Amino acid sequence: DADVTQTPRNRITKTGKRIMLECSQTKGHDRMYWYRQDPGLGLRLIYYSFDVKDINKGEISDGYSVSRQAQAKFSLSLESAIPNQTALYFCATSVGVNEQFFGPGTRLTVL
Amino acid sequence: GDSVTQMEGPVTLSEEAFLTINCTYTATGYPSLFWYVQYPGEGLQLLLKATKADDKGSNKGFEATYRKETTSFHLEKGSVQVSDSAVYFCALSDRGGNNRLAFGKGNQVVVIP
Repeated sequence: DADVTQTPRNRITKTGKRIMLECSQTKGHDRMYWYRQDPGLGLRLIYYSFDVKDINKGEISDGYSVSRQAQAKFSLSLESAIPNQTALYFCATSVGVNEQFFGPGTRLTVL
Repeated sequence: GDSVTQMEGPVTLSEEAFLTINCTYTATGYPSLFWYVQYPGEGLQLLLKATKADDKGSNKGFEATYRKETTSFHLEKGSVQVSDSAVYFCALSDRGGNNRLAFGKGNQVVVIP
């Protein structure tokens, strides 16, 4: 079984809808991250969390919110989706300042 | 802020050719440096890393050396295979405690039989 899982793997939605992407990990890592990947732009950090009570904005947090429900779960929400949020979204985990481990990604399309 | 620059454009080469992907960085302090690889339809996997100047990271025939004097971390492989076709990302990590990864834009590598 994968250590970092993301659901759903693919989602198509309409402008204005609320969407939640979920990430779960069985690695026991304390830190979790959400990134988005756009063609030609690499990965950009949306939010990150060092533990359940610590949430921090990344470089592109506008239009997104997150919830760290437990050490193993970190959800990303789009309160009112817009077409330019169409992207590939990745969750990642780490122990402290060590390497990050990525989930398989969620492909989100906003029509 | 911290940033990573990768060479522009995809890389297409024949099997058994030598691969180089350039990566330079801008950072305050002394970051850790990484190469991640993304195979089609998959998430990113750590390929190799280096945590201090002159360190050489290596894995699966790939190598990269942390060059502080030229702020570079170029990826090399002596003889590529078709299975090396993927997107390669250079990244740095702020060691100030945040562990925020800054990624380059990635390079698509296509190896032709």
